[in-house]
Amino acid sequence: GENVEQHPSTLSVQEGDSAVIKCTYSDSASNYFPWYKQELGKRPQLIIDIRSNVGEKKDQRIAVTLNKTAKHFSLHITETQPEDSAVYFCAASRRASKIIFGSGTRLSIRP
Amino acid sequence: DSGVTQTPKHLITATGQRVTLRCSPRSGDLSVYWYQQSLDQGLQFLIQYYNGEERAKGNILERFSAQQFPDLHSELNLSSLELGDSALYFCASSVDKGLAADTQYFGPGTRLTVL
Repeated sequence: GENVEQHPSTLSVQEGDSAVIKCTYSDSASNYFPWYKQELGKRPQLIIDIRSNVGEKKDQRIAVTLNKTAKHFSLHITETQPEDSAVYFCAASRRASKIIFGSGTRLSIRP
Repeated sequence: DSGVTQTPKHLITATGQRVTLRCSPRSGDLSVYWYQQSLDQGLQFLIQYYNGEERAKGNILERFSAQQFPDLHSELNLSSLELGDSALYFCASSVDKGLAADTQYFGPGTRLTVL
């Protein structure tokens, strides 16, 4: 069935360094790939998304890349800050189909 | 604030009981989704409703049911509750009017504790 694999499950980086989280998806018809950030006990919040007609999208310190051929997409956070510490979820979906979430990455920023 | 509201915020009940969680989607959104998130776990998709009709089903137990009303708010009913049902329950909504998949916006969640 449809599946989204996310790696790593935990990630610790020094403040100021970059963090990269990778996801692969199985449904080749997927055309929408959002990323959510979830702080402890709070709701998942959309931080960036990309559609299949675009290869890369950037918003300040956050960027997402998509390789449709390999069915990979990645989240890049540059110049990490303490407030970036959270759990990040990738997801994949297509029209009129449920969204499939990855298992999450717990990102910790070391001072 | 995402515009999605959920009530109650917290719910504490006993095993064997039944509870109802309520969700109001963002204005204009037709789809409502329910998710379960146990401690330190991912988001488990339960069920989706679109404009009053069930559209997709995930790993929803038979003890759980949901519906979406004409005003598009949704309720998730959990019955014969077990200790393992303790979790955060999120509702999300999206527009789902066009040809492409739409962003889901999450509510603040209902924390259910079964004692």
